[in-house]
Amino acid sequence: RKEVEQDPGPFNVPEGATVAFNCTYSNSASQSFFWYRQDCRKEPKLLMSVYSSGNEDGRFTAQLNRASQYISLLIRDSKLSDSATYLCVGDDKIIFGKGTRLHILP
Amino acid sequence: NAGVMQNPRHLVRRRGQEARLRCSPMKGHSHVYWYRQLPEEGLKFMVYLQKENIIDESGMPKERFSAEFPKEGPSILRIQQVVRGDSAAYFCASSPPGGQNTEAFFGQGTRLTVV
Repeated sequence: RKEVEQDPGPFNVPEGATVAFNCTYSNSASQSFFWYRQDCRKEPKLLMSVYSSGNEDGRFTAQLNRASQYISLLIRDSKLSDSATYLCVGDDKIIFGKGTRLHILP
Repeated sequence: NAGVMQNPRHLVRRRGQEARLRCSPMKGHSHVYWYRQLPEEGLKFMVYLQKENIIDESGMPKERFSAEFPKEGPSILRIQQVVRGDSAAYFCASSPPGGQNTEAFFGQGTRLTVV
């Protein structure tokens, strides 16, 4: 089974800082990837889709590096409300990474 | 356009009973995925269905678990003779037709507790 790996963290980051984390994948056939955020005891919510080299939405930037087989998520000017677990998944939507926990510190 | 609807939100069953979890996909979505999540753990894929077809059930336990997505009505995840280890959050997600580039959206989940 193809794998998706994420650094579990936690990443403890002061408010206002920039934070980035990666997701590596082994299925080279994947054409697109998705980042979700999940708050404690809630459902995952779609954050960003990455169809080509990257995508940017406000403070969030996702990039896809096909040569090294990873996608990254960059969060600028982090807010307390960004505290969550961030999950990545390929376009099969089957193998989710175990998630990276992010804590934004006041 | 309502989101993905799951019910019940919470379900308590005694060991040996049956649990039925329902998932109504978003309007226009014909693909449904079921996942299980234990506390402090990641999402574990269970089954992927399209209308009237099971596409991938590689994550389903071989016994007691079944899923369907009929032509009319919600998708159903059925767990027979539940055991304490079945206690978990069960999420479904739906996506529209159109191949792998489509985005999937999650329901709020059903939290199953087996007592």
